[in-house]
Amino acid sequence: NAGVMQNPRHLVRRRGQEARLRCSPMKGHSHVYWYRQLPEEGLKFMVYLQKENIIDESGMPKERFSAEFPKEGPSILRIQQVVRGDSAAYFCASSPRVDGGAVGNTIYFGEGSWLTVV
Amino acid sequence: QKEVEQDPGPLSVPEGAIVSLNCTYSNSAFQYFMWYRQYSRKGPELLMYTYSSGNKEDGRFTAQVDKSSKYISLFIRDSQPSDSATYLCAMGGSGGSNYKLTFGKGTLLTVNP
Repeated sequence: NAGVMQNPRHLVRRRGQEARLRCSPMKGHSHVYWYRQLPEEGLKFMVYLQKENIIDESGMPKERFSAEFPKEGPSILRIQQVVRGDSAAYFCASSPRVDGGAVGNTIYFGEGSWLTVV
Repeated sequence: QKEVEQDPGPLSVPEGAIVSLNCTYSNSAFQYFMWYRQYSRKGPELLMYTYSSGNKEDGRFTAQVDKSSKYISLFIRDSQPSDSATYLCAMGGSGGSNYKLTFGKGTLLTVNP
C-alpha cells in the first residue's frame, strides 16, 4: 500500500453536500483506478484514468459521480449531492502499465477514503 | 449468478491451524487471479498472484487455481494471530479490459492465540 496516497481518510458529509476524494498515484505510475467498497460488499470497479483522459468509466453511477486526473496534481473523485447510499470506502489504485496479463500484480491500492453521509 | 462467489465467513481458527479459503467464478475469460489481505479500515494488500492454473507457494501461503473448475483457493499454513484479516479473491484479464479487477466479497478470518 505504500506510495498510493489518498485523502481525506475519513470524510463526513450531510445529504446534499459534495464530496471530493483525492488520490496521488505511486511514483512512476500513470494509470489510476477507483474502486468502491460498500458495506458487506466486495470492491467494485468504478473508473480507470490516465493523465487527462478517462479510459473506462463503465462502473461509475450515471449521475452525481465524476472523476478526473489532470496533467498536474492528484486524481479527484467527485460526488455531488451525496445520499446515504454513497456511504462507503473508496479506494484508489495505480499501476505503471496495463499491457498483457502482468497488470494484475502491478496494481497497488491506497488506504482508502471512508465517506459517511449523515 | 455473480461473477465471483466467496463465502464471507466469518472463519475462526486456533493458532497453528491450516486455513483454506476459496472462490468460484463464472467468467471463463479471466486470465489472472489474486488474493488480497485487508486489515480493518485499511487498503487491500496483494498476497498472491497467479497467471495460470496450478499452484504457487510463498512462505506459509499457497494459491491454487483450477481454471477447468473455475475454482481458486488460498491455503495458509501455521496460521498466526497476525493473519486475522479479511481475505479477498480477485480476478482479471477478461477481454479487452485486462486492468479491471473483479473481487469476491471477502472472507473474514480470525486466528485465535
